[in-house]
Amino acid sequence: NAGVTQTPKFQVLKTGQSMTLQCAQDMNHEYMSWYRQDPGMGLRLIHYSVGAGITDQGEVPNGYNVSRSTTEDFPLRLLSAAPSQTSVYFCASAYYNEQFFGPGTRLTVL
Amino acid sequence: ELKVEQNPLFLSMQEGKNYTIYCNYSTTSDRLYWYRQDPGKSLESLFVLLSNGAVKQEGRLMASLDTKARLSTLHITAAVHDLSATYFCAVAARGSGGGADGLTFGKGTHLIIQP
Repeated sequence: NAGVTQTPKFQVLKTGQSMTLQCAQDMNHEYMSWYRQDPGMGLRLIHYSVGAGITDQGEVPNGYNVSRSTTEDFPLRLLSAAPSQTSVYFCASAYYNEQFFGPGTRLTVL
Repeated sequence: ELKVEQNPLFLSMQEGKNYTIYCNYSTTSDRLYWYRQDPGKSLESLFVLLSNGAVKQEGRLMASLDTKARLSTLHITAAVHDLSATYFCAVAARGSGGGADGLTFGKGTHLIIQP
């Protein structure tokens, strides 16, 4: 199993550009989520999904969209990137009480 | 709103010493997690604590949970340099299902262990 994979690993955007961060898992987990990590802030929940076709907002959802068309994939879309979205983004999947985190995507918005 | 506070946020200690990191949370929870993060890396799961009085140990690390006090501790025994990292606690609000309703994280404890 590859576990939770994220692409790209690094990305630089200009303000106003859009892009999609990819997240996939091959463990058939129903639950997936996106977090952002900023210095000194810990991780904060952006969006989560409890299964295909079901998504919900977390603590900091503004500026981000998600969809869950398959169990395996949970992409995060930045509609119009802003410098405040410069962060490290982690995707996670969960099975019962275990959470599995991906390697992260480091995003810089200029 | 669930709030999670860790302290200390920064800790520098010498090898061979013992120390404890504290994690307080504000509302009832039935799951508490401890993670380790090395610079530039993802989170590594250390412990999942599910009930009052739960205690788990792995090597020089031991975690405990007191749900009545809403407090978890991560105790480091005879610290070694390899334990230098940032440690996070994270809490799932009671009633959230499956784990991906989301965790609320503390800000992390940056631990430096000097030889």
